[in-house]
Amino acid sequence: QKEVEQNSGPLSVPEGAIASLNCTYSDRVSQSFFWYRQYSGKSPELIMSIYSNGDKEDGRFTAQLNKASQYVSLLIRDSQPSDSATYLCAVNRQASWGKFQFGAGTQVVVTP
Amino acid sequence: AAGVIQSPRHLIKEKRETATLKCYPIPRHDTVYWYQQGPGQDPQFLISFYEKMQSDKGSIPDRFSAQQFSDYHSELNMSSLELGDSALYFCASSRSGLNTEAFFGQGTRLTVV
Repeated sequence: QKEVEQNSGPLSVPEGAIASLNCTYSDRVSQSFFWYRQYSGKSPELIMSIYSNGDKEDGRFTAQLNKASQYVSLLIRDSQPSDSATYLCAVNRQASWGKFQFGAGTQVVVTP
Repeated sequence: AAGVIQSPRHLIKEKRETATLKCYPIPRHDTVYWYQQGPGQDPQFLISFYEKMQSDKGSIPDRFSAQQFSDYHSELNMSSLELGDSALYFCASSRSGLNTEAFFGQGTRLTVV
């Protein structure tokens, strides 16, 4: 079992709709959670970080964290074709900030 | 704002050659991470450094070594290159401490022929 699990997709979303991405993690001591967007052949770009249970909103993006369920999600509202990318969930154990563990990524395709 | 700088951006090497990848972190970032990403795969953690000391180690082959220098830049040295080493190599940097975010460089595309 991977430490960080994501649905690989592709997740097809009509333009203007909400894209919902999920991520689960296995290490209960994980403290920091991140969503990166990666276009093909490009480097991961940080779009959201969340550290406390609940919701965190930034523009069209909302991250949700539930540590009891070991679950973090990302909502993309009013999806645009430019949102078509692979979204990587990353987790960091604060006790050892030596690495950020990534999920396999969910490919999102926004259709006009 | 200054970002993570990686060099070179592209590198072509033959089998059994050596390669050195460089990473210059964001100013005041003291932690550097190296990742390898093959086609269609998620980034695989190789190794990280904090204050010039190795802080964590992942699936880095024994043929690879890395270090962080006094100016916090880092170098990944790869020897006896194999075809399977062809990948994108990303460096990321962060500050140490609680709730720290990591930012990635543009990556080095290594092709071994």
